[in-house]
Amino acid sequence: KNEVEQSPQNLTAQEGEFITINCSYSVGISALHWLQQHPGGGIVSLFMLSSGKKKHGRLIATINIQEKHSSLHITASHPRDSAVYICAVGAGNQFYFGTGTSLTVIP
Amino acid sequence: NAGVTQTPKFQVLKTGQSMTLQCAQDMNHNSMYWYRQDPGMGLRLIYYSASEGTTDKGEVPNGYNVSRLNKREFSLRLESAAPSQTSVYFCASSGQKYNEQFFGPGTRLTVL
Repeated sequence: KNEVEQSPQNLTAQEGEFITINCSYSVGISALHWLQQHPGGGIVSLFMLSSGKKKHGRLIATINIQEKHSSLHITASHPRDSAVYICAVGAGNQFYFGTGTSLTVIP
Repeated sequence: NAGVTQTPKFQVLKTGQSMTLQCAQDMNHNSMYWYRQDPGMGLRLIYYSASEGTTDKGEVPNGYNVSRLNKREFSLRLESAAPSQTSVYFCASSGQKYNEQFFGPGTRLTVL
């Protein structure tokens, strides 16, 4: 049983394309996080959301609490965006993670 | 600021050996976490500490113990390592429980 599901698992895009990664969850949450894991293994937090929408540069994250769904959008994708993107939710005393979306952006 | 540091970076153990993974943060965060990451399974929470002196079990606590020594340090101990504990271990910290988390570089552990 997976509390957090992400799609797609793998994504290849041409540089400049608009990218969307989806996250659905099955538990009541206090917060949702989007993380980026670099090819070298390091993990960086991109967003923490409890409602609405946030934007950092070319990255946009949205959440719909009623539908238990979040999306991460990357506008004007670049090869340096190639990484694994992970959705995570905080629920009670637990944190649940999706298995990640592996993104490759081709020049 | 070093952020979140972990030691060691790599470790190979034999079945039954014990070891402690160390984690420290210099951001004055209250909450600290230990995760393991296995291929195809994503990150899973092992233990969580909301503050000095308090710890809570996560999704996969069996075979592990933790100690929140002070506000800065949160250690993870394997008393009798098993091959199923071969994994990459990440420590993280956040100001409060659901806030943005800052991750350490990870420890790659192999149990033979």
